[in-house]
Amino acid sequence: GNSVTQMEGPVTLSEEAFLTINCTYTATGYPSLFWYVQYPGEGLQLLLKATKADDKGSNKGFEATYRKETTSFHLEKGSVQVSDSAVYFCALSDQNTDKLIFGTGTRLQVFP
Amino acid sequence: SQTIHQWPATLVQPVGSPLSLECTVEGTSNPNLYWYRQAAGRGLQLLFYSVGIGQISSEVPQNLSASRPQDRQFILSSKKLLLSDSGFYLCAWGFRNTIYFGEGSWLTVV
Repeated sequence: GNSVTQMEGPVTLSEEAFLTINCTYTATGYPSLFWYVQYPGEGLQLLLKATKADDKGSNKGFEATYRKETTSFHLEKGSVQVSDSAVYFCALSDQNTDKLIFGTGTRLQVFP
Repeated sequence: SQTIHQWPATLVQPVGSPLSLECTVEGTSNPNLYWYRQAAGRGLQLLFYSVGIGQISSEVPQNLSASRPQDRQFILSSKKLLLSDSGFYLCAWGFRNTIYFGEGSWLTVV
């Protein structure tokens, strides 16, 4: 069945460092791919998405490219800030429904 | 614009007591609605999924139930809570293959 695997955290970085959080998926067909962010004590917010191969989603300085050949959707940011500290979830959407399948989440901690 | 609200935001309930979490969506009609649970230190688990009034799909066996009495209202219930029901519950709505989440409800069963 469909599944999402993302790197375990926590990821600890200094401010202005480069961020990569790896995400790979297993799916039949052509799923849509998402990154959600959860700030402490809050619900999930959609960060970015990509709906087909080679699409690049971007928002708030974060980017991720839908790579069908490597079944990956890695999240990147060139220069992280303390305010980016949160848990990041990679997810895919089943082709025939809206159901999301989530990875286990990766906690990012950014220190000044 | 569309908005989603769920309540209460936080509650502490004794084992064996009932539960009712409510969720409403505004600004859209006939949305797909979802209940997810996030247990401490774990990922998100889909509990229930609804494509219309009175239509509920259960994803995992448990002592929780869901109902959709109106188009934009989704309710999560339990007759008798267990300790293992503690967690962060998230309501969500879906449109065009994208899901949007509410603020979440923290449930602690003691």
